[in-house]
Amino acid sequence: QVQLRESGPGLVKPSQTLSLTCTVSGASISSGGHYWSWIRQYPGMGLEWIGYIYYSGNTYYNPSLKGRITFSVDTSNNQFSLKLSSVTAADTAVYYCARMVSFGGAPPYFDFWGQGTLVTVSS
Amino acid sequence: IQMTQSPSSLSASVGDRVTITCRASQTIRNYLNWFQQTPGKAPKVLIYAASSLHDGVPSRFSGSGSGTDFSLTISSLQPEDFGTYYCQQTFSAYTFGQGTKLEIK
Repeated sequence: QVQLRESGPGLVKPSQTLSLTCTVSGASISSGGHYWSWIRQYPGMGLEWIGYIYYSGNTYYNPSLKGRITFSVDTSNNQFSLKLSSVTAADTAVYYCARMVSFGGAPPYFDFWGQGTLVTVSS
Repeated sequence: IQMTQSPSSLSASVGDRVTITCRASQTIRNYLNWFQQTPGKAPKVLIYAASSLHDGVPSRFSGSGSGTDFSLTISSLQPEDFGTYYCQQTFSAYTFGQGTKLEIK
């Protein structure tokens, strides 16, 4: 069974950088057709896709966050990571990592999610 | 691309047929997924590519539509179907609908 688990600080100060890591088990992060994603959910329940990274290092970021996001992948440890810079209180959310599936040009979808981790931006 | 779901909430009885709709602000072909989320849990995919049932999802769930208009139908509501349902487009700069909260009467 594929499992994803987010880890990182639960509290970040304004203007600092939020850093999270997702550890994948039960699947290889290097497998083709799978894209490793971050999604966040605000306290009011709205969901926002942040972006994804492929094992090769190719990325696709949400244009609304571009410039503040950096993704990286560590295939040797089967992990991928998110860095979000210059955070404000508006970045307070539950952050999920998820696996996105897309084979042969078929519409992509998210089939496995982590449990989520709450990150609060506050001084 | 903006995704608009309706209704925002609904209450239905066990055994009822329930339909939730989702409209995209521009065509997204069949790049539309449906998720169910229960309190404290991550969303779970139900339907992908507008009408394909994900592995392990009960057959009472079905999806239809293409272009800009889509729907999710639960043919016979069960107690475990409570929660919030979201549509999501993966055509471009992926976005979610605002959610439909389903309560069981």
